[in-house]
Amino acid sequence: DGGITQSPKYLFRKEGQNVTLSCEQNLNHDAMYWYRQDPGQGLRLIYYSQIVNDFQKGDIAEGYSVSREKKESFPLTVTSAQKNPTAFYLCASRKDAASYEQYFGPGTRLTVT
Amino acid sequence: EDQVTQSPEALRLQEGESSSLNCSYTVSGLRGLFWYRQDPGKGPEFLFTLYSAGEEKEKERLKATLTKKESFLHITAPKPEDSATYLCAVRTYNNNDMRFGAGTRLTVKP
Repeated sequence: DGGITQSPKYLFRKEGQNVTLSCEQNLNHDAMYWYRQDPGQGLRLIYYSQIVNDFQKGDIAEGYSVSREKKESFPLTVTSAQKNPTAFYLCASRKDAASYEQYFGPGTRLTVT
Repeated sequence: EDQVTQSPEALRLQEGESSSLNCSYTVSGLRGLFWYRQDPGKGPEFLFTLYSAGEEKEKERLKATLTKKESFLHITAPKPEDSATYLCAVRTYNNNDMRFGAGTRLTVKP
């Protein structure tokens, strides 16, 4: 089955630690995205990548970093510089430049205490 | 700045009671308007894309419509399994991403 996988589903970390969230897709999609979702708010874009080895900052990139070394993988690192990291993180992909729809993974809920 | 506003924030319906969810937008150059369904603790599921005013799309009990200022998601004779948060998003000519509204949380009581 083709799709987007995110792991783990739940993640707990102590304040001051960096943590990496995994996102893998086997849809052969060109573009990949990371969003953050907080209660009562819309999804906010953290980073996106349209091709391998290239990525752009979204609206709330501070305290986060990404890499795109392979087409199917787009990991997100939440660094200790992110002031309020507890949230639900969603990864998405888009087929190509001619397609607008984004398809989402199941999400990772990160709790930092 | 592009803005997307969804109303109401929450909607409670009885099974079979039809209603509509609203998504109003202020953008410069709409490329597409998208509706998603999100169940608690899960990722959004794609429903529809609308590209131009007057366009309509249907899927089971859901029908999405688009005008130059807003989109409606009409739910006809809803069932409890339609309970979810419905998200609206837009893509414009100015960006390569989507702008999301905060969503409408729909509850359908049996």
